[in-house]
Amino acid sequence: SQTIHQWPATLVQPVGSPLSLECTVEGTSNPNLYWYRQAAGRGLQLLFYSVGIGQISSEVPQNLSASRPQDRQFILSSKKLLLSDSGFYLCAFQDGASWDGYTFGSGTRLTVV
Amino acid sequence: AQSVAQPEDQVNVAEGNPLTVKCTYSVSGNPYLFWYVQYPNRGLQFLLKYITGDNLVKGSYGFEAEFNKSQTSFHLKKPSALVSDSALYFCAVREGFGDYKLSFGAGTTVTVRA
Repeated sequence: SQTIHQWPATLVQPVGSPLSLECTVEGTSNPNLYWYRQAAGRGLQLLFYSVGIGQISSEVPQNLSASRPQDRQFILSSKKLLLSDSGFYLCAFQDGASWDGYTFGSGTRLTVV
Repeated sequence: AQSVAQPEDQVNVAEGNPLTVKCTYSVSGNPYLFWYVQYPNRGLQFLLKYITGDNLVKGSYGFEAEFNKSQTSFHLKKPSALVSDSALYFCAVREGFGDYKLSFGAGTTVTVRA
């Protein structure tokens, strides 16, 4: 079966520190991968998506970057965190061969202090 | 560009009463429509989808949704709400198989009171 793993579940980081959030997918090949941020428990903001290794599309220019070093691995990074980077980060994948929507990870609660 | 709208920020119903969460969409072609549910501090969970076929789609946890092309709507319904249905609900649209992205609505918070 297809599964997605996202970690850590919670993270408290000081302003100016680096960030690395990781997401891995199992049970499928060449998935489309996505990073979303959810502020204040409401709407979802698409940050990055990837349709293949090394292919990253940025939806919103900001303090974050994404990488896809392997087919089923998607990493969200920052060199220096800002207070405004706090939020709930969600990774998702979509099986490119199917007609389905996304499968989401369990999310990471990031608090920048 | 594709989009969905959820006109209600919040829906409150009593347990045992019918629940409806509204969604309207805008796409240039045939829509692929989805409903997701999110519990606090959790990822989104898939409820149901409409790709083609019957306008009434049945999904998880007793939910169903009706696709209405003339009204460009895809409302989520449950005949008898439970307290455990209290959560944040998102409607989403994908504009065709070649489109990589889902567009999500702003979400509707459902509160079911005992």
